[in-house]
Amino acid sequence: QKEVEQNSGPLSVPEGAIASLNCTYSDRGSQSFFWYRQYSGKSPELIMFIYSNGDKEDGRFTAQLNKASQYVSLLIRDSQPSDSATYLCAARKDFGNEKLTFGTGTRLTIIP
Amino acid sequence: EAGVTQSPTHLIKTRGQQATLRCSPISGHTSVYWYQQALGLGLQFLLWYDEGEERNRGNFPPRFSGRQFPNYSSELNVNALELEDSALYLCASSPLTDTQYFGPGTRLTVL
Repeated sequence: QKEVEQNSGPLSVPEGAIASLNCTYSDRGSQSFFWYRQYSGKSPELIMFIYSNGDKEDGRFTAQLNKASQYVSLLIRDSQPSDSATYLCAARKDFGNEKLTFGTGTRLTIIP
Repeated sequence: EAGVTQSPTHLIKTRGQQATLRCSPISGHTSVYWYQQALGLGLQFLLWYDEGEERNRGNFPPRFSGRQFPNYSSELNVNALELEDSALYLCASSPLTDTQYFGPGTRLTVL
């Protein structure tokens, strides 16, 4: 079992709709969770991080964390064609173990 | 504020050679992380340096090594290059225990 799992997609969403990206993790020692966006040929760009159960909103993006279910999600409201990218979920244990463990990413395509 | 910088952008080597990749962190960041992104494998953690010390190492052979300099910049060295070392090598920096920000990467091709 991979430590961080994501559906590789591709996930196709109409422009203006809500895109929902999901991630599960296997290590209960994971404390912080990160969503990065990666355009083809570019490096990952941080979108959001979350470490408390519940929702965290930043503009059109909402991250959700459920530690009991070991589940993290990212919602993108009012999806735009510029949101088309691969979204990477990462987990971190913290407390001296700061490496990020990444999922393989979900490829999102926004259809105009 | 300048972001993380990496050099070179592209590097072409032949099997058995050595490669040296460089990274300059964001000003004020003391931690530097190295990741490998090979095609189809996702990002894999390589090394973490903070305050000049190696803090953690991923599941890579010893021919992957590095160091961090007093100005917090870092080098990644890959000895005895193998074809499967071809990948995008990403450097990230952070203040200790904080969020990591990635540089543009070095694309290493081993022929």
